[in-house]
Amino acid sequence: GAVVSQHPSWVICKSGTSVKIECRSLDFQATTMFWYRQFPKQSLMLMATSNEGSKATYEQGVEKDKFLINHASLTLSTLTVTSAHPEDSSFYICSAKSPLGFYYGYTFGSGTRLTVV
Amino acid sequence: AQSVAQPEDQVNVAEGNPLTVKCTYSVSGNPYLFWYVQYPNRGLQFLLKYITGDNLVKGSYGFEAEFNKSQTSFHLKKPSALVSDSALYFCAVMDTNAGKSTFGDGTTLTVKP
Repeated sequence: GAVVSQHPSWVICKSGTSVKIECRSLDFQATTMFWYRQFPKQSLMLMATSNEGSKATYEQGVEKDKFLINHASLTLSTLTVTSAHPEDSSFYICSAKSPLGFYYGYTFGSGTRLTVV
Repeated sequence: AQSVAQPEDQVNVAEGNPLTVKCTYSVSGNPYLFWYVQYPNRGLQFLLKYITGDNLVKGSYGFEAEFNKSQTSFHLKKPSALVSDSALYFCAVMDTNAGKSTFGDGTTLTVKP
């Protein structure tokens, strides 16, 4: 079945550094991927829509320069948290449209727990 | 704009008892509805969907959901709960034009032995 691999599963970084999170579709081509942020015991907040070969579409209130999204190939999208601060600590999840079509929802990555110290 | 409401933050049931996790929605057109489950520190897993057809939808792990158009509800159900069903459950409605989904706030299900 469709699998989305997200890496790393967890990362701890120092304030001011940048962290890259990768999201790969392993057995299908994902022209569109979505990046979410989830706070503890809260729902998923859509951050941006990533389209292969074009600029990401960011949701209102999400800083484009802080959360850099690149979708350079049909199987890879990356989210880079630049100049990370403790308030960026969160659980980040990517998802891709199921290759079977929208009717089958999304396939989600396993998430990345980011802790900024 | 579409929206999803999960009125209960927490649902507690005893193992072997039936469970219901509630969801109501608001959309301007035909609803495309989904349920997902999330285990701690993991991504979301697809459970089931309603697009069209029978109002009772069967999904993974013995879960089912009942679509009720008049009540704009899509409650998740299982006849006999297992301890391993304990997790965070999300209801979602999809905007097929934009490809985006709107998620409810989630309901934590705890099944006690």
